[in-house]
Order: sequence, then C-alpha cells, then structure tokens
Amino acid sequence: DQQVKQNSPSLSVQEGRISILNCDYTNSMFDYFLWYKKYPAEGPTFLISISSIKDKNEDGRFTVFLNKSAKHLSLHIVPSQPGDSAVYFCAAGNAGNNRKLIWGLGTSLAVNP
Amino acid sequence: EAGVVQSPRYKIIEKKQPVAFWCNPISGHNTLYWYRQNLGQGPELLIRYENEEAVDDSQLPKDRFSAERLKGVDSTLKIQPAELGDSAVYLCASSISGGAWETQYFGPGTRLLVL
Repeated sequence: DQQVKQNSPSLSVQEGRISILNCDYTNSMFDYFLWYKKYPAEGPTFLISISSIKDKNEDGRFTVFLNKSAKHLSLHIVPSQPGDSAVYFCAAGNAGNNRKLIWGLGTSLAVNP
Repeated sequence: EAGVVQSPRYKIIEKKQPVAFWCNPISGHNTLYWYRQNLGQGPELLIRYENEEAVDDSQLPKDRFSAERLKGVDSTLKIQPAELGDSAVYLCASSISGGAWETQYFGPGTRLLVL
C-alpha cells in the first residue's frame, strides 16, 4: 500500500512558466513532509520541507503548500529553469515513529528552453 | 564541506557472490541511513544508525544483509550471498539528530548489478 503517492510520473513545462508537482498521502499521522530533487547518477538532494503545523513554506523559487484536510501537498517552482529538470520525490514522516521517511515514486520534470 | 562519500560507485557481480558497500558520512553527522532504491521507485530504508547503534533495522533482510558502523563514523553494508533481485542503487545518507526533524543528506549511491 503506497502511503505517499505521486500520481504523475512525468511533467513537461516551458522555461519561465510555473511547474506544479503534486503529492498525496494516506497516513494522517505524518507530521513532516519533504521534497527532494534527484539528477541521474546522483543521490537525492534536499529541496524544501514543511511541518504539519504550517500550510506554506517558501524558499526562493520553490514553494510547498500543504492541505491537511485533503492530505495533499504540492511543490511550485516559479519560474522554471532548464536546470530544474530532474526527478522530484515527495517524502513524509512522523517524528514519533522512528523518524522513518516514506517516499513517493517520483515525478520526472522536464523544463524545455 | 565534503558530502557523503560512497564507494564503489558501480559493482557488477554474479549471483551468490558477496558484495560490500562503504559509506563515509558528513563530518559531525551522528545519524546514518542505508537505503535501497529500485528502478522507478523511491528509496526504501534498510537500516538507521544513531552513532554506533542500529535503531531501526526492521527492513533489513537479515538472512543475507548485514551492516556495521564501527566507532560511529564510517559504515559498511554487506550482502552475502547476492541474489538477482538485489540489483538496485544502494544509497547512504546522514543527518544530525537532535531537532524536531533532520534533513538527510545523500551520497551518490552504489549501483549494483547482479548477473
């Protein structure tokens, strides 16, 4: 049973436009959510996180929105750049549950010049 | 600051052979994780160390997998004997424990192919 779901395996956007990556979760006990970016042949790189007590966190071009009632979070990248082309993973965890992260399957983002 | 170092980067072995992966975490990071990532999947935790202690090894297939973290720094993950289904990328990550949540920093991974 996939507790963290990224239903879009891929996404393609034009440079300069907004990229929106979505993530749904089923476990209401998750209290921390993270986005990681992964380039080929590299390990995942931490991008941005959000705690369940917030509904938005912003860092430069990256903003994560959390809708707890819908058990949904999204990552917005504005403006998108070709260097943002990578696989984006959503991960969730609970601080009281051995801090184990549950990962989605990833969404491959292609930003076209 | 140096990142998480893993070696080797690639390994090809025949089934039933042993294999070992090495990880050197970021200096000062007392928490170390080993993950396995299959193609098209997200990383799956195998084991987590707090210093020298394995605090979560519930997902480690203990019949063939073993890990150690001597002196609470470097770590080694071993598979013996390897099976075809072990082909995957093995990722090591580290973090500093103590806060409400810790950001995990990943190494480049070891890509294992079992023939």
